[in-house]
Amino acid sequence: AQSVTQPDIHITVSEGASLELRCNYSYGATPYLFWYVQSPGQGLQLLLKYFSGDTLVQGIKGFEAEFKRSQSSFNLRKPSVHWSDAAEYFCAVGLVDSNYQLIWGAGTKLIIKP
Amino acid sequence: KAGVTQTPRYLIKTRGQQVTLSCSPISGHRSVSWYQQTPGQGLQFLFEYFSETQRNKGNFPGRFSGRQFSNSRSEMNVSTLELGDSALYLCASSWGLAGITDTQYFGPGTRLTVL
Repeated sequence: AQSVTQPDIHITVSEGASLELRCNYSYGATPYLFWYVQSPGQGLQLLLKYFSGDTLVQGIKGFEAEFKRSQSSFNLRKPSVHWSDAAEYFCAVGLVDSNYQLIWGAGTKLIIKP
Repeated sequence: KAGVTQTPRYLIKTRGQQVTLSCSPISGHRSVSWYQQTPGQGLQFLFEYFSETQRNKGNFPGRFSGRQFSNSRSEMNVSTLELGDSALYLCASSWGLAGITDTQYFGPGTRLTVL
């Protein structure tokens, strides 16, 4: 069955340090890929998406993600985190052959150390 | 442009009751998706409506139902509430189907507590 795995439930990073959040998917074809962020008490906001083309995708707030077909991964990165990046991050995939249904990862909570 | 609105924002019900939640999408958006978010299960897809038709459905029992009106507004209904239905219910709208569209916009959610 199709699935999305975010192996890290929590990640703690010092302010100013680099960040990488992992996302792996299990799906026969190349899905559409998304990263969303949910700040405390707020709804989800799209950070970036990959549909096709360049496998390195730039998003908002200084985030980027790289699609690696061979590893079925779509990891999110940021070179230098800010305290305002503390939030929960969700990876999602759109299943091309299932009416583009979105499957979501469990989320990774990012904690920023001052 | 106004964002996605959900009403009510908070709701307290007792077991066995039923509840209806409402979602008004961004003007011009034709797709509305519903999600249940809980600390234990995370974000789970309930269903997606596109132009008044249910296009996708998640793995939830038949107690969970929804509909979409001609103006794209959507409602979801949960009958015979159980304690485990306590959750944040999120609605999201997009111009096209959520899995292929450029951006899906989320509302603030309705916090449902079942006692």
